[in-house]
Amino acid sequence: QQQVKQSPQSLIVQKGGISIINCAYENTAFDYFPWYQQFPGKGPALLIAIRPDVSEKKEGRFTISFNKSAKQFSLHIMDSQPGDSATYFCAASQLFSGGYNKLIFGAGTRLAVHP
Amino acid sequence: ETGVTQSPTHLIKTRGQQVTLRCSSQSGHNTVSWYQQALGQGPQFIFQYYREEENGRGNFPPRFSGLQFPNYSSELNVNALELDDSALYLCASSLDGGQGAYEQYFGPGTRLTVT
Repeated sequence: QQQVKQSPQSLIVQKGGISIINCAYENTAFDYFPWYQQFPGKGPALLIAIRPDVSEKKEGRFTISFNKSAKQFSLHIMDSQPGDSATYFCAASQLFSGGYNKLIFGAGTRLAVHP
Repeated sequence: ETGVTQSPTHLIKTRGQQVTLRCSSQSGHNTVSWYQQALGQGPQFIFQYYREEENGRGNFPPRFSGLQFPNYSSELNVNALELDDSALYLCASSLDGGQGAYEQYFGPGTRLTVT
């Protein structure tokens, strides 16, 4: 029940296209859903996040779509650029007794944007 | 405002040895979490520290321990190193204002190799 399932494992998109990465979860206690971008040899960088009371959030070229009833959420990268080539992780979190949050990550999607 | 920093960048240890990894939190943050990221996988939660106390722990044995200092910097200690401990160790800092530390910002990580 703690898992976050992410797909696809890898994705190739042409420059200017839309990249779409999907995640699904089971635990309805999750109340925070961030996306992270990670370049080789670097730590994950927080891109955008959403709470379950919102169905969509947009920041620049990045949009999260959230479907609470289906327990799914997705990241859309509009006008994808070669500089977006990285590994993307979805994650989910909840506040546990003891007052701590832990991020539970998906397995990651390796995105390659071709010129 | 400075970001999360970690030291050292890389480390090579022998099985059975002990290691200490260090993390400086982002300015204004009071909570530190540690994650282990094996090659090709998403980060796995080790533990979280708030006000110098461990307030949450993932599925890691007691030979993984930590400290948080009054300036909110932190250490991760691993005793009796095993080959499977080889991974990227990530520190994430966040601000807990009383309702959880949801937005976690990661450092660049320490690459530990156990031979």
